[in-house]
Amino acid sequence: DIQMTQSPSSLSASVGDRVTITCQASQDISNFLNWYQQKPGKAPKLLIYDASNLETGVPSRFSGSGSGTDFTFTINSLQPEDIATYYCQQYDNLPPSFGQGTRLEVK
Amino acid sequence: QVQLVQSEAEVKKPGASVKVSCKASGYTFTHYGISWVRQAPGQGLEWMGWISANNGNTKYAQKFQGRVTLTTDTSTSTAYMELRSLRSDDTAVYYCARDISPIVGTIIGAFDIWGLGTVVTVSS
Repeated sequence: DIQMTQSPSSLSASVGDRVTITCQASQDISNFLNWYQQKPGKAPKLLIYDASNLETGVPSRFSGSGSGTDFTFTINSLQPEDIATYYCQQYDNLPPSFGQGTRLEVK
Repeated sequence: QVQLVQSEAEVKKPGASVKVSCKASGYTFTHYGISWVRQAPGQGLEWMGWISANNGNTKYAQKFQGRVTLTTDTSTSTAYMELRSLRSDDTAVYYCARDISPIVGTIIGAFDIWGLGTVVTVSS
């Protein structure tokens, strides 16, 4: 199974900051990577698919990049409503696997 | 709008079974597969398995093989997940999620629409 490692596991940032989360796969997954946002008590929401494509309706301050084993998720100009846990997920091989999550707090 | 509506919370005793439902609306049910993903309290996301709503083909995570059964009822656009021989560590929120595969009957393993989740508590 492919292991996904996210960092950091938590971070605190101020409104307006640029926030970056990284995700590393245990083997080459090409661009078969998604990013999800999960707010407390809610279901995950797809933000980025195929590593860098913004899902319809998602604000443009969210972006993703990378391929192979190393990926980056960025929030430009952090907003209060971005408080959530963010997960990367690979779908190159079954079983699909998720990173352990990055909990984002606003200072 | 496209949505997946899941059944209500369940409380079960160790050794029992639970069956969670997931009713789809707003799209052609048989054009997509449904995966089940669970999340234990304070933990991350764990994929359990997938079923094609077109032909009933299934794929299961090895961890759950033999203990979980996924089914669908196309007449009601509903998917079901049954988990048997419940243990305390099966306590979790169980989500159904639509697979994004554009090819009927195949799995991609990425999910664009999620249900709100069903809390399953296993306790004696």
